[in-house]
Amino acid sequence: GQGVEQPAKLMSVEGTFARVNCTYSTSGFNGLSWYQQREGQAPVFLSYVVLDGLKDSGHFSTFLSRSNGYSYLLLTELQIKDSASYLCAVRDGGYQGGRALIFGTGTTVSVSP
Amino acid sequence: GPKVLQIPSHQIIDMGQMVTLNCDPVSNHLYFYWYKQILGQQMEFLVNFYNGKVMEKSKLFKDQFSVERPDGSYFTLKIQPTALEDSAVYFCASSSGTGGHERLFFGHGTKLSVL
Repeated sequence: GQGVEQPAKLMSVEGTFARVNCTYSTSGFNGLSWYQQREGQAPVFLSYVVLDGLKDSGHFSTFLSRSNGYSYLLLTELQIKDSASYLCAVRDGGYQGGRALIFGTGTTVSVSP
Repeated sequence: GPKVLQIPSHQIIDMGQMVTLNCDPVSNHLYFYWYKQILGQQMEFLVNFYNGKVMEKSKLFKDQFSVERPDGSYFTLKIQPTALEDSAVYFCASSSGTGGHERLFFGHGTKLSVL
Protein backbone atom coordinates (compact mmCIF):
# COMPACT_ATOMS: atom_id res chain seq x y z
CA GLY A 1 0.00 0.00 0.00
CA GLN A 2 0.93 3.65 0.02
CA GLY A 3 2.96 4.95 2.91
CA VAL A 4 6.25 5.57 4.64
CA GLU A 5 7.55 2.92 7.02
CA GLN A 6 10.21 3.04 9.71
CA PRO A 7 11.21 0.75 12.59
CA ALA A 8 9.75 1.99 15.86
CA LYS A 9 12.87 1.87 18.00
CA LEU A 10 16.64 1.66 17.74
CA MET A 11 19.14 1.43 20.56
CA SER A 12 22.82 2.22 20.30
CA VAL A 13 25.86 3.18 22.35
CA GLU A 14 27.63 6.50 22.70
CA GLY A 15 30.55 6.84 20.29
CA THR A 16 29.22 4.28 17.84
CA PHE A 17 26.71 4.71 15.03
CA ALA A 18 23.01 4.21 14.32
CA ARG A 19 21.34 3.60 10.97
CA VAL A 20 17.68 4.53 10.70
CA ASN A 21 15.93 2.83 7.80
CA CYS A 22 12.98 4.12 5.82
CA THR A 23 10.96 2.48 3.07
CA TYR A 24 8.31 4.26 1.10
CA SER A 25 5.66 3.58 -1.46
CA THR A 26 3.97 6.56 -3.03
CA SER A 27 2.23 7.24 -6.30
CA GLY A 28 4.87 9.85 -7.10
CA PHE A 29 8.19 11.01 -5.68
CA ASN A 30 9.53 14.52 -5.34
CA GLY A 31 12.25 14.03 -2.75
CA LEU A 32 12.78 12.62 0.75
CA SER A 33 13.59 14.51 3.94
CA TRP A 34 14.76 13.59 7.42
CA TYR A 35 13.67 15.47 10.53
CA GLN A 36 14.62 15.16 14.18
CA GLN A 37 11.88 15.51 16.79
CA ARG A 38 12.47 15.63 20.51
CA GLU A 39 9.57 14.85 22.80
CA GLY A 40 7.13 17.72 23.01
CA GLN A 41 9.05 19.79 20.50
CA ALA A 42 8.85 20.77 16.85
CA PRO A 43 10.43 18.60 14.16
CA VAL A 44 13.74 20.06 12.97
CA PHE A 45 14.98 19.62 9.41
CA LEU A 46 18.14 17.54 8.97
CA SER A 47 18.50 16.61 5.31
CA TYR A 48 16.82 16.44 1.91
CA VAL A 49 17.70 14.03 -0.91
CA VAL A 50 16.20 13.62 -4.33
CA LEU A 51 18.96 11.80 -6.23
CA ASP A 52 20.26 8.29 -5.64
CA GLY A 53 23.38 7.77 -3.59
CA LEU A 54 24.97 8.87 -0.34
CA LYS A 55 24.94 12.47 0.88
CA ASP A 56 27.45 13.21 3.62
CA SER A 57 26.61 16.05 6.02
CA GLY A 58 29.27 15.45 8.67
CA HIS A 59 27.68 14.08 11.83
CA PHE A 60 25.10 12.29 9.71
CA SER A 61 24.71 10.96 6.18
CA THR A 62 21.68 10.09 4.13
CA PHE A 63 21.32 7.46 1.43
CA LEU A 64 18.61 7.10 -1.18
CA SER A 65 17.67 4.36 -3.63
CA ARG A 66 14.62 5.42 -5.63
CA SER A 67 14.32 2.12 -7.48
CA ASN A 68 13.99 0.32 -4.14
CA GLY A 69 11.94 2.97 -2.38
CA TYR A 70 14.54 3.03 0.39
CA SER A 71 16.52 5.55 2.38
CA TYR A 72 18.56 5.57 5.54
CA LEU A 73 19.90 8.17 7.93
CA LEU A 74 23.30 7.28 9.36
CA LEU A 75 24.28 8.95 12.62
CA THR A 76 27.98 8.63 13.44
CA GLU A 77 29.98 9.37 16.59
CA LEU A 78 26.78 9.14 18.58
CA GLN A 79 26.27 11.39 21.58
CA ILE A 80 23.69 11.07 24.33
CA LYS A 81 21.98 14.21 23.00
CA ASP A 82 21.30 12.41 19.70
CA SER A 83 18.56 10.49 21.52
CA ALA A 84 15.39 11.60 19.76
CA SER A 85 12.81 10.52 17.23
CA TYR A 86 13.93 10.63 13.60
CA LEU A 87 11.24 11.13 10.99
CA CYS A 88 11.46 10.18 7.37
CA ALA A 89 9.19 12.18 5.06
CA VAL A 90 8.46 11.82 1.38
CA ARG A 91 7.15 14.53 -0.88
CA ASP A 92 4.31 12.66 -2.53
CA GLY A 93 3.99 13.60 -6.17
CA GLY A 94 0.58 11.95 -6.18
CA TYR A 95 -0.85 15.10 -4.63
CA GLN A 96 -1.79 17.63 -7.28
CA GLY A 97 0.63 20.31 -6.14
CA GLY A 98 3.44 17.86 -5.42
CA ARG A 99 4.28 19.49 -2.10
CA ALA A 100 2.43 17.40 0.47
CA LEU A 101 5.10 15.96 2.80
CA ILE A 102 4.09 12.54 4.09
CA PHE A 103 5.79 11.44 7.30
CA GLY A 104 6.69 7.98 8.48
CA THR A 105 5.92 6.75 11.96
CA GLY A 106 9.34 7.86 13.23
CA THR A 107 12.17 5.88 14.81
CA THR A 108 13.03 6.54 18.44
CA VAL A 109 16.80 6.35 18.81
CA SER A 110 18.09 5.79 22.33
CA VAL A 111 21.80 6.34 22.93
CA SER A 112 23.23 4.87 26.11
CA PRO A 113 26.60 5.62 27.75
CA GLY B 1 17.09 30.90 13.16
CA PRO B 2 13.66 31.42 11.61
CA LYS B 3 10.81 30.56 13.95
CA VAL B 4 7.20 29.57 13.56
CA LEU B 5 5.04 30.54 16.53
CA GLN B 6 1.82 28.79 17.47
CA ILE B 7 -0.81 30.19 19.78
CA PRO B 8 -2.06 28.83 22.13
CA SER B 9 0.20 25.99 23.22
CA HIS B 10 -2.74 24.15 24.77
CA GLN B 11 -6.48 24.50 24.19
CA ILE B 12 -9.23 22.64 26.04
CA ILE B 13 -12.77 22.80 24.67
CA ASP B 14 -16.05 20.94 24.82
CA MET B 15 -17.12 18.74 21.94
CA GLY B 16 -19.23 20.63 19.43
CA GLN B 17 -17.60 23.99 20.08
CA MET B 18 -15.56 25.89 17.53
CA VAL B 19 -11.81 26.30 17.91
CA THR B 20 -9.26 28.38 16.02
CA LEU B 21 -5.60 27.50 16.10
CA ASN B 22 -3.21 30.32 15.24
CA CYS B 23 0.14 30.18 13.51
CA ASP B 24 2.61 32.99 12.89
CA PRO B 25 4.82 31.64 10.07
CA VAL B 26 8.33 32.74 9.12
CA SER B 27 7.96 36.25 7.73
CA ASN B 28 9.02 35.78 4.09
CA HIS B 29 7.60 32.29 3.64
CA LEU B 30 4.96 31.60 1.04
CA TYR B 31 3.75 28.06 1.73
CA PHE B 32 1.94 27.03 4.89
CA TYR B 33 1.02 23.63 6.27
CA TRP B 34 -1.00 22.00 9.04
CA TYR B 35 -0.19 18.57 10.44
CA LYS B 36 -1.98 16.49 13.08
CA GLN B 37 -0.16 14.20 15.50
CA ILE B 38 -1.93 11.96 17.98
CA LEU B 39 0.26 10.99 20.94
CA GLY B 40 2.68 8.25 19.97
CA GLN B 41 1.59 8.22 16.36
CA GLN B 42 2.93 9.69 13.15
CA MET B 43 2.61 13.23 11.87
CA GLU B 44 -0.28 13.29 9.44
CA PHE B 45 -0.61 15.82 6.64
CA LEU B 46 -3.80 17.85 6.71
CA VAL B 47 -3.47 20.71 4.27
CA ASN B 48 -1.14 23.16 2.59
CA PHE B 49 -1.88 26.72 1.54
CA TYR B 50 -0.38 29.14 -0.96
CA ASN B 51 -1.36 32.50 -2.39
CA GLY B 52 -4.56 32.61 -0.41
CA LYS B 53 -5.76 29.17 -1.43
CA VAL B 54 -5.73 25.56 -0.34
CA MET B 55 -3.28 23.71 -2.60
CA GLU B 56 -3.59 20.16 -1.36
CA LYS B 57 -5.52 18.44 1.38
CA SER B 58 -5.74 14.92 2.75
CA LYS B 59 -8.73 12.80 3.69
CA LEU B 60 -8.22 13.92 7.30
CA PHE B 61 -9.10 17.48 6.31
CA LYS B 62 -12.80 17.10 7.01
CA ASP B 63 -15.55 19.49 5.96
CA GLN B 64 -15.49 20.84 9.50
CA PHE B 65 -11.95 22.14 8.93
CA SER B 66 -11.03 25.39 7.25
CA VAL B 67 -7.86 27.42 6.83
CA GLU B 68 -7.17 31.04 5.99
CA ARG B 69 -4.58 33.75 6.28
CA PRO B 70 -6.45 37.06 6.20
CA ASP B 71 -4.32 40.06 5.19
CA GLY B 72 -1.01 38.29 5.78
CA SER B 73 -1.65 37.87 9.49
CA TYR B 74 -1.94 34.57 11.31
CA PHE B 75 -2.41 31.39 9.33
CA THR B 76 -5.35 29.76 11.07
CA LEU B 77 -6.96 26.34 11.30
CA LYS B 78 -10.58 26.44 12.34
CA ILE B 79 -12.55 23.39 13.40
CA GLN B 80 -16.31 23.81 13.61
CA PRO B 81 -17.80 21.80 15.22
CA THR B 82 -15.12 19.85 17.07
CA ALA B 83 -15.32 16.10 17.71
CA LEU B 84 -13.59 13.90 20.28
CA GLU B 85 -11.30 12.45 17.61
CA ASP B 86 -9.94 15.92 16.89
CA SER B 87 -7.92 15.72 20.10
CA ALA B 88 -4.27 15.82 19.02
CA VAL B 89 -1.27 18.10 18.68
CA TYR B 90 -1.56 20.31 15.61
CA PHE B 91 1.70 21.47 14.05
CA CYS B 92 1.95 24.41 11.73
CA ALA B 93 4.84 24.69 9.27
CA SER B 94 5.99 27.11 6.61
CA SER B 95 8.49 27.07 3.76
CA SER B 96 9.96 29.65 1.42
CA GLY B 97 9.08 27.85 -1.80
CA THR B 98 12.19 29.10 -3.56
CA GLY B 99 15.30 26.95 -3.60
CA GLY B 100 14.77 25.80 -0.04
CA HIS B 101 11.23 24.75 -0.72
CA GLU B 102 11.95 21.26 0.53
CA ARG B 103 12.70 22.52 4.05
CA LEU B 104 9.77 23.02 6.39
CA PHE B 105 10.04 25.07 9.56
CA PHE B 106 7.68 23.79 12.25
CA GLY B 107 6.09 25.44 15.24
CA HIS B 108 6.03 23.74 18.66
CA GLY B 109 2.45 22.67 18.17
CA THR B 110 -0.90 23.35 19.80
CA LYS B 111 -2.25 20.55 21.94
CA LEU B 112 -6.01 20.39 21.44
CA SER B 113 -8.07 18.50 24.01
CA VAL B 114 -11.74 17.99 23.11
CA LEU B 115 -13.83 16.86 26.07
